[in-house]
Amino acid sequence: DGGITQSPKYLFRKEGQNVTLSCEQNLNHDAMYWYRQDPGQGLRLIYYSQIVNDFQKGDIAEGYSVSREKKESFPLTVTSAQKNPTAFYLCASSMLGGDSQGYTFGSGTRLTVV
Amino acid sequence: KQEVTQIPAALSVPEGENLVLNCSFTDSAIYNLQWFRQDPGKGLTSLLLIQSSQREQTSGRLNASLDKSSGRSTLYIAASQPGDSATYLCVVLGSWGKLQFGAGTQVVVTP
Repeated sequence: DGGITQSPKYLFRKEGQNVTLSCEQNLNHDAMYWYRQDPGQGLRLIYYSQIVNDFQKGDIAEGYSVSREKKESFPLTVTSAQKNPTAFYLCASSMLGGDSQGYTFGSGTRLTVV
Repeated sequence: KQEVTQIPAALSVPEGENLVLNCSFTDSAIYNLQWFRQDPGKGLTSLLLIQSSQREQTSGRLNASLDKSSGRSTLYIAASQPGDSATYLCVVLGSWGKLQFGAGTQVVVTP
């Protein structure tokens, strides 16, 4: 079955460390997105990519970086510059424009700073 | 700027009752509207997708309507079950190509 796989499910980071969250999709979707969800709050867009080797900042990109070397993969790195990284991270994908099939989300990665 | 509002923020009903969840949006220039379900600590599961040209979509006990002119969508869940307990999110894709999320309605169905 087609879908989005996020790994790991839980991730613990020490102060000053960079960590990378994985997102892989086999839906042949053009666009991929990273969102952050904090308790009691809505989803906020971190980065998105519409084609390979191209990506755009979202509303809260500071302290994060991404790459899109393959259509299927869109990893997110949380750098030490992100001052409050503890959150639930969701990856999503869609056909370009998303106007026909909607969006598909992964099951999320919960990142905790220890 | 598009704003998406979901009312009520929380809802508790006894098993068997019908659920009515409301979503309103301020800009009617949308591509589509999608309803998702989120269980605690989990990702978003798509329930129904309504294109801008459609008035409603149905899947099993779920029915979603869309009235673009008034900026409203309603999700109906018939004969609720305890397994329907979750947070329901309304998500709008605007003509500018950006998703806008509602804050969600937290639903509890008691046995």
